[in-house]
Amino acid sequence: NAGVTQTPKFQVLKTGQSMTLQCAQDMNHEYMSWYRQDPGMGLRLIHYSVGAGITDQGEVPNGYNVSRSTTEDFPLRLLSAAPSQTSVYFCASSYGASSYEQYFGPGTRLTVT
Amino acid sequence: RKEVEQDPGPFNVPEGATVAFNCTYSNSASQSFFWYRQDCRKEPKLLMSVYSSGNEDGRFTAQLNRASQYISLLIRDSKLSDSATYLCVVNGGSQGNLIFGKGTKLSVKP
Repeated sequence: NAGVTQTPKFQVLKTGQSMTLQCAQDMNHEYMSWYRQDPGMGLRLIHYSVGAGITDQGEVPNGYNVSRSTTEDFPLRLLSAAPSQTSVYFCASSYGASSYEQYFGPGTRLTVT
Repeated sequence: RKEVEQDPGPFNVPEGATVAFNCTYSNSASQSFFWYRQDCRKEPKLLMSVYSSGNEDGRFTAQLNRASQYISLLIRDSKLSDSATYLCVVNGGSQGNLIFGKGTKLSVKP
C-alpha cells in the first residue's frame, strides 16, 4: 500500500495564481482532511470530508475549495493564491474523525510570492 | 485559554535521560487523546493513544487526568532517535475534529 500520497512536494506560485494540491489514499478510509502547518501555529484544519460527496469547512477554510468525488481522492484548490497561504500542507485520512489514527501524507511545501 | 497547550521547549537532554512533556486542553467534553511525533520536515505520525487508565509502550508512558484536563508523556532512557517534535492531540473541534497542539521539541544529545 502507498498510504497517503500528495503531489506536488514543492510549489512556488505568484500572487493571484490558482492551483490544485492532489491527495490520494489507498486504505479505503472514509474520512479525509487537509491541514496547514505554519511556524508557531501548529496544524490547523482547512477542510474535511466524511465520505464521497460530503465535505465541510474546518478552522481556516477561506481561500480554499475541496471536492470528494471518490473515496480515494481529496484535492485542495487554491482559488487565488496570496502570500498568507505560504505554508506546508498536509493531507490525512482515517477511518473516522476523532477516535482513529490519522495517516498523513508527506506534505506539500507551498510558497506564494 | 487555548484549546490545546503545550510547553514549546526545546528540551535538550543527554542520552539516557528521562523527560516528561505536559499538555492541557480546554474542552471538558473531549474523549480522544493522542501523542503524535513529527520529525523535522516530515509528516506527523501517531506515537500512542492516551487512555483514562494510562498506557505504556516500551520506554513511553502516557497519562490522562480528566479532572485537571491534563495529558502527559514520559520518555525513559532517551535515545538520539527520540529527537523530534511531540504533538499533543485532542478531539473537540466544532465537528468533533482533532485539535493539534503546537508541539514540544525534544533534542537528545550524545
